[in-house]
Amino acid sequence: DAGVIQSPRHEVTEMGQEVTLRCKPISGHDYLFWYRQTMMRGLELLIYFNNNVPIDDSGMPEDRFSAKMPNASFSTLKIQPSEPRDSAVYFCASSLALELAQETQYFGPGTRLLVL
Amino acid sequence: GQSLEQPSEVTAVEGAIVQINCTYQTSGFYGLSWYQQHDGGAPTFLSYNGLDGLEETGRFSSFLSRSDSYGYLLLQELQMKDSASYFCAVRDEGTGFQKLVFGTGTRLLVSP
Repeated sequence: DAGVIQSPRHEVTEMGQEVTLRCKPISGHDYLFWYRQTMMRGLELLIYFNNNVPIDDSGMPEDRFSAKMPNASFSTLKIQPSEPRDSAVYFCASSLALELAQETQYFGPGTRLLVL
Repeated sequence: GQSLEQPSEVTAVEGAIVQINCTYQTSGFYGLSWYQQHDGGAPTFLSYNGLDGLEETGRFSSFLSRSDSYGYLLLQELQMKDSASYFCAVRDEGTGFQKLVFGTGTRLLVSP
């Protein structure tokens, strides 16, 4: 398996522009997670999906952020309009259905976003 | 809520042993995980402890004491490639069983 795939790997945009980040989870995984990582705030969970349904979006910073998962193999995270403080690395991760036993999240390579 | 505390940075030399501690506060507890992240890379899973005791995976071991809300990652026979950030994470019933909450990370610097 190719692992979690994210695109683009790097994005530079100007304040006010719309940004769309894309993710393809590992085939067969039931859960998909979007994280944001910054030096100041560390690794934060933004939203996660189970079987394409958003379960918890309490980490989404504000209404400018939205996420969708139209099918099991694709998800998007959109920022509109973007602001400089959105500059961060955005990771997508996926995992199998959870049990009380060991569980692993597999992270994609991330999208490095810079908003000027 | 939940919180995790880790040292911000640890330094060691090649061949040495280093221990990275993690203390946590959660409203429920379903295990402690450890992830490694190299600069510019993505977090990758290292180990998981659901029960008290030591879990060993090659040069890496992880320990958990639920009564003390404490765990550690032990890295033996350090190599230069072990220079990375290490995150502990908990899966917490209080925030939704499926959610992982990560610590702030410990940056490990291995020198020759």
